[in-house]
Amino acid sequence: AQKITQTQPGMFVQEKEAVTLDCTYDTSDQSYGLFWYKQPSSGEMIFLIYQGSYDEQNATEGRYSLNFQKARKSANLVISASQLGDSAMYFCAMREGRYGGATNKLIFGTGTLLAVQP
Amino acid sequence: DTEVTQTPKHLVMGMTNKKSLKCEQHMGHRAMYWYKQKAKKPPELMFVYSYEKLSINESVPSRFSPECPNSSLLNLHLHALQPEDSALYLCASSLLGLFQETQYFGPGTRLLVL
Repeated sequence: AQKITQTQPGMFVQEKEAVTLDCTYDTSDQSYGLFWYKQPSSGEMIFLIYQGSYDEQNATEGRYSLNFQKARKSANLVISASQLGDSAMYFCAMREGRYGGATNKLIFGTGTLLAVQP
Repeated sequence: DTEVTQTPKHLVMGMTNKKSLKCEQHMGHRAMYWYKQKAKKPPELMFVYSYEKLSINESVPSRFSPECPNSSLLNLHLHALQPEDSALYLCASSLLGLFQETQYFGPGTRLLVL
């Protein structure tokens, strides 16, 4: 069965520092997609970044980058130059695959609560 | 524009009430989703509509009844709920077919069942 693991329930980081949020996944499929979402206390899930299993380069979106290590089955999120507004819950998710195609199901990890300190 | 809207933002209902949650998107997405999220937990998938047809029902109790009147609208009808159904209900939408098709979420409806 496909599974996402986030081992850090909570993290602290100083403002302007970089922080890495860990995510490992387990799948037997060759094709899959990995996502990171941010959920502030207001509740909305905000899409941050996507990495495809066949993408050779690590994805980047502004201050967010994804450290994709396929052999280790890890997809860590790196936030550079942390800001107070980055304080939120962060979820790693995987798009489930089936017979080489994508299903409509996202499998979520348990999340990491990030607190940015001034 | 990647906006998904949900109404109402907050809802309090008794166990005998009937209410509906509404979700709308105008991104041309043909897949729409309902998730339930309890505090400090990840979202749990409830239903998926593809091309206005129910394609996934994750064994959700019948007191939750989804409806997709057209490609832009998704409703969740609630009837005879239990206090344990109190949660954040999130709607999402996406294009179909490819792994990179991102699910975009609405702001959610916070439901309290008394």
